[in-house]
Amino acid sequence: DADVTQTPRNRITKTGKRIMLECSQTKGHDRMYWYRQDPGLGLRLIYYSFDVKDINKGEISDGYSVSRQAQAKFSLSLESAIPNQTALYFCATEGTSVYNEQFFGPGTRLTVL
Amino acid sequence: QKEVEQDPGPLSVPEGAIVSLNCTYSNSAFQYFMWYRQYSRKGPELLMYTYSSGNKEDGRFTAQVDKSSKYISLFIRDSQPSDSATYLCANQGGSEKLVFGKGTKLTVNP
Repeated sequence: DADVTQTPRNRITKTGKRIMLECSQTKGHDRMYWYRQDPGLGLRLIYYSFDVKDINKGEISDGYSVSRQAQAKFSLSLESAIPNQTALYFCATEGTSVYNEQFFGPGTRLTVL
Repeated sequence: QKEVEQDPGPLSVPEGAIVSLNCTYSNSAFQYFMWYRQYSRKGPELLMYTYSSGNKEDGRFTAQVDKSSKYISLFIRDSQPSDSATYLCANQGGSEKLVFGKGTKLTVNP
């Protein structure tokens, strides 16, 4: 079984809808991240959490919110989706190595019409 | 200036070629330098990391860091079609968050 899972893997929705992307991990890591990836823009950090009680904004948090329900679960919500939120979304956990290796989920491809 | 700059390519080479992928960075606090590989429709995975200036070799892959010029490279010898992927450099420093380059898409043609 995969260590970092994301659901759904693909989602098509309409402008204005509320969307939740879910991430679960079995690696036992405290640190978790949400990124979006767009062609030509690379990976951009949306939110990150160093433990259940710690939530931090990344470089592009506007229009997004997160919930850390447990050490293993970190959800990303789009309260009112808009077309420019169409992207590939990745969840990642971070290990305890000194070089901060991150372990990524398989991604969620989101299309907002 | 973005902290990590990476030429997005795309880069297309014949099988067996030597590939050179490069990044520059601006933050002197960066201590660890990593290369992630991302296959199509997959999440990135760590390929290699280095801590200091110099070379680190792993099979056909060599990571090189020059801290004096803030330049990092990944060399792939005897490239194979299975090396076709997007390669992202990533640096880590005082903020303890990884900073990723935009990635370079590589295609190795049989």
